[in-house]
Amino acid sequence: AQTVTQSQPEMSVQEAETVTLSCTYDTSESDYYLFWYKQPPSRQMILVIRQEAYKQQNATENRFSVNFQKAAKSFSLKISDSQLGDAAMYFCASPALGSQGNLIFGKGTKLSVKP
Amino acid sequence: GAGVSQSPRYKVAKRGQDVALRCDPISGHVSLFWYQQALGQGPEFLTYFQNEAQLDKSGLPSDRFFAERPEGSVSTLKIQRTQQEDSAVYLCASSDTGVKGTYEQYFGPGTRLTVT
Repeated sequence: AQTVTQSQPEMSVQEAETVTLSCTYDTSESDYYLFWYKQPPSRQMILVIRQEAYKQQNATENRFSVNFQKAAKSFSLKISDSQLGDAAMYFCASPALGSQGNLIFGKGTKLSVKP
Repeated sequence: GAGVSQSPRYKVAKRGQDVALRCDPISGHVSLFWYQQALGQGPEFLTYFQNEAQLDKSGLPSDRFFAERPEGSVSTLKIQRTQQEDSAVYLCASSDTGVKGTYEQYFGPGTRLTVT
């Protein structure tokens, strides 16, 4: 079965510091997208950043960037200048093979930000 | 504009009762997805609609689960004869792509179902 693996159940970072969340995935698609979603305690999932697999350049959105290693099927999220509001569950996701777009999610990483 | 809304936000049902969970997607969004999120887990796919057509229901865990989107907008997820293992948060997401595209999905706040 297709899987998305997040090996870090919990992470902690000091405010203003940088943290990297790991994700590996498997797919046999030739062209696909990858996503990081943030789920704050209120539980509404918010898209943080997405990466198009055919683009070699890593995606960047303000303080959020990815390190996309296609051959290794690795898709890590780097959060720079961490803020208290970054505290949340972070989920890595990939579209299911052959699907209409439904996502397969990892189990998530709970990020705590210390003041 | 308004995002995806879901109602009720919380639902407590006694085992054996039927429940109906509502999703109002973003206006004009063609695609609608339902996910089930157990405590401490990532969301898991249940079913997918493109407009009013249910194109994929491979994730529905049993025939007690039924979903509909009769007019291609609002969707209802119905669970018959609820069991304790149905306790979870049910998330709805919509997308403006009807074909393979960016897959960016906009999620609602979810309905937390507790079966006692």
